[in-house]
Amino acid sequence: GIQVEQSPPDLILQEGANSTLRCNFSDSVNNLQWFHQNPWGQLINLFYIPSGTKQNGRLSATTVATERYSLLYISSSQTTDSGVYFCALLNQAGTALIFGKGTTLSVSS
Amino acid sequence: NAGVMQNPRHLVRRRGQEARLRCSPMKGHSHVYWYRQLPEEGLKFMVYLQKENIIDESGMPKERFSAEFPKEGPSILRIQQVVRGDSAAYFCASSPWTGDEAFFGQGTRLTVV
Repeated sequence: GIQVEQSPPDLILQEGANSTLRCNFSDSVNNLQWFHQNPWGQLINLFYIPSGTKQNGRLSATTVATERYSLLYISSSQTTDSGVYFCALLNQAGTALIFGKGTTLSVSS
Repeated sequence: NAGVMQNPRHLVRRRGQEARLRCSPMKGHSHVYWYRQLPEEGLKFMVYLQKENIIDESGMPKERFSAEFPKEGPSILRIQQVVRGDSAAYFCASSPWTGDEAFFGQGTRLTVV
């Protein structure tokens, strides 16, 4: 099945810093999503991005399907950005999202 | 436009009891997915359902776990004779059709004592 690897596993930032989170995957992609799980456990949709680049405020994402990776950029980080960021890809059967292990981000003021 | 609604948010069961978790998908979504998240881990797929049909249950434990999505009403994840290892957060997601963007509920945190 599809393998999804995220890096780094942990990231500690000062408020205002920029960061790049990476998601590598082992197979072609039809559906790739980025999620933020906040400290209360809620999963928030960030991007649906099987290819190309999207931006939403301080966040942007790029997926290069031919090279099997996706990047999530966070600029001018804030303490509310803390939490776990997951990348997830749809399996070949189209029936399930396969999640990476996540990147845990801690932003301090 | 209400999101995916799960209830209860927290559920405590004694070993051997049954747990029933409910999920109402977003309006217009007929595809429901259940995931389990153990502490400090990512989400693991359990089952994918469309109205009245189980499409993929490859992630479901073979015993004690079942899921349904009836024609009317919410999807139900049922865990019989719960054990301590079932303690986890259970998330439901929905999408309008296969392969489209999925949206998650707030989860049900099951604690087995």
